[in-house]
Amino acid sequence: NAGVTQTPKFQVLKTGQSMTLQCAQDMNHNSMYWYRQDPGMGLRLIYYSASEGTTDKGEVPNGYNVSRLNKREFSLRLESAAPSQTSVYFCASSEGQGYMNTEAFFGQGTRLTVV
Amino acid sequence: GNSVTQMEGPVTLSEEAFLTINCTYTATGYPSLFWYVQYPGEGLQLLLKATKADDKGSNKGFEATYRKETTSFHLEKGSVQVSDSAVYFCALRRFSGGATNKLIFGTGTLLAVQP
Repeated sequence: NAGVTQTPKFQVLKTGQSMTLQCAQDMNHNSMYWYRQDPGMGLRLIYYSASEGTTDKGEVPNGYNVSRLNKREFSLRLESAAPSQTSVYFCASSEGQGYMNTEAFFGQGTRLTVV
Repeated sequence: GNSVTQMEGPVTLSEEAFLTINCTYTATGYPSLFWYVQYPGEGLQLLLKATKADDKGSNKGFEATYRKETTSFHLEKGSVQVSDSAVYFCALRRFSGGATNKLIFGTGTLLAVQP
């Protein structure tokens, strides 16, 4: 059972470099999410996608872009990395609208350091 | 807006001690409430949930009761083990019209259980 798979697990970038974090789920879920986790701040939603072809901003979207490539895949791109984007990034998926009671499944995270 | 407040950590306990981690929420309507657990180096996984007032969620010896009158969902366990050491997140989900039903997390509480 793969669940939610994120790549890479670790990454170090220099300020100004770009990169894409990949996420794929095999549970046929409609909704997918990108969160960042910072000490003392819990998880904050960056972007989410309610269904294939749709994306919306979360709490902290600045400096990020996303692509819902198909139902399985939801990528997060940093166009010009900044030290403030040093964080642990989690992708998650869940059933879509109307399924309030279902849980979200999380990937194992990507630890990103921007120097 | 919707929000979750949980007690600051870290919480340090001896094995077999009683655990309470407080969680209160602010939301209109009737959100679903969740506790997620994050073991070191891993993503979040659902621990338990409750979907309506007075529901009690339980799993692995942990329990939490949805108290609408006090807007609380405190996590308890009668006898903790070293293997329970992790970060615990309280979360809510409320369906919000045309938007996807996003999870809103608290800041997390680190639990350290000593032998």
